Formats: sequence, structure tokens, C-alpha cells
Amino acid sequence: NTKITQSPRYLILGRANKSLECEQHLGHNAMYWYKQSAEKPPELMFLYNLKQLIRNETVPSRFIPECPDSSKLLLHISAVDPEDSAVYFCASSQTTDSGNTLYFGEGSRLIVV
Amino acid sequence: GDSVTQKQGQVTLSEDDFLFINCTYSTTTYPTLFWYVQYPGQGPQLLLKVTTANNKGISRGFEATYDKGTTSFHLQKASVQESDSAVYFCALAPSYGNEKITFGAGTKLTIKP
Repeated sequence: NTKITQSPRYLILGRANKSLECEQHLGHNAMYWYKQSAEKPPELMFLYNLKQLIRNETVPSRFIPECPDSSKLLLHISAVDPEDSAVYFCASSQTTDSGNTLYFGEGSRLIVV
Repeated sequence: GDSVTQKQGQVTLSEDDFLFINCTYSTTTYPTLFWYVQYPGQGPQLLLKVTTANNKGISRGFEATYDKGTTSFHLQKASVQESDSAVYFCALAPSYGNEKITFGAGTKLTIKP
């Protein structure tokens, strides 16, 4: 899937700061960050629509999202905790209207040591 | 709040077996129902979706019927192949926008050759 690209694909951190990047080439208005822990479904962290943050789920303050333009999404992580080890997926949808299909990137796997 | 229940955490079948994955939901809205499939090392991708009660979604040999009476959206396939091995997520989007999709816990399907 090259329509939503994420970097880096793998990240090993020991309480350092790092940013995850995402870019979508689908012309979608809505972009999302999801966290998927092992053997669990994806959990929504943040939702942007037309560059505006419209959903901010209960996420530790060490995760800070940024949407510099409608096709790009960043997730800044500071002082990671072992519970943050997971795969972080960027996703997009045409709009935030009900029933829109989510398109996921391939994910960034974060390992906290 | 909305909920999606998948009773089967794991299903193991042989090639050409019939597949049935159970999914029930609870919501006060008129939802869109989805099945997403996640192959190893990839993000979830849409398998099929149905927006209207009593309609059936069909894709790649898989089918699911939106049954409002039993609040179910079970996934079926007549004859599975090894390439169908993946995790399958049932999901629900409420009828109003800007709301998050609720995923079931997922069912890991393993097909033995």
C-alpha cells in the first residue's frame, strides 16, 4: 500500500523523543492515528478533519499530534513508557461522515527498551 | 455506548472448509457495518461493508448480511484458501459523523494447507 506511507517502520526507543510521520496520497479530508497493541484491535488516538483536531481520545500527554497540511500527519512522542510498545497506524478517510471506509498505512512498530 | 462482540478469538480450518465467523453488535443508531481484514505485517483493510439493514455485502468470496433483527453481521465463505489466513475485525460506525468506529476484538483465522 503506497497510498499511505509511514516512517519510520520500526523504532526502538529508550525514553528518547521521536516523531512518527505519515503522508496520504488519496486526497482525503480526514486523517487518524491508531494504536494497536499485540492481539488487540486498533484503538483511535486522534482524528483530524481538514487539518482541525476533532477527536482526542484519552491519550497520555506525551503523545502530541500535528497536522501540518491536509495530506500529512505527525505524532510526536516524548519520554516513552514500556506500555507504549505497539504498532501505530496512520489512516485516512474521504470525510468523517458515517460509514466512510478507513484506509490504513502499514504502521510504525515502536519498541520501548 | 456502541459495542461489537466477536466470540471466536481463533479459528483453524483446512483448505476448502466452510468459514463462519460470529459477530454481534449493540448500538442505538442505524450503523454501517464493516469487516476489515489484517494480514501479517500490514494495516487493516476493508473486506466489505453494508450500510442498510437486511442487505448483504459480498467481496472476494466472503459475504455478510446486516441482520437488524438479531443485531448480527456474521462473516461466511464457502471454501477457504491458505491465503485467507489473517485476522478479521468486525466493526461498526454510528449513523452520525465525526464518531469513531468501534472494532470487535478480532478473530484470527488459520488455514492449514
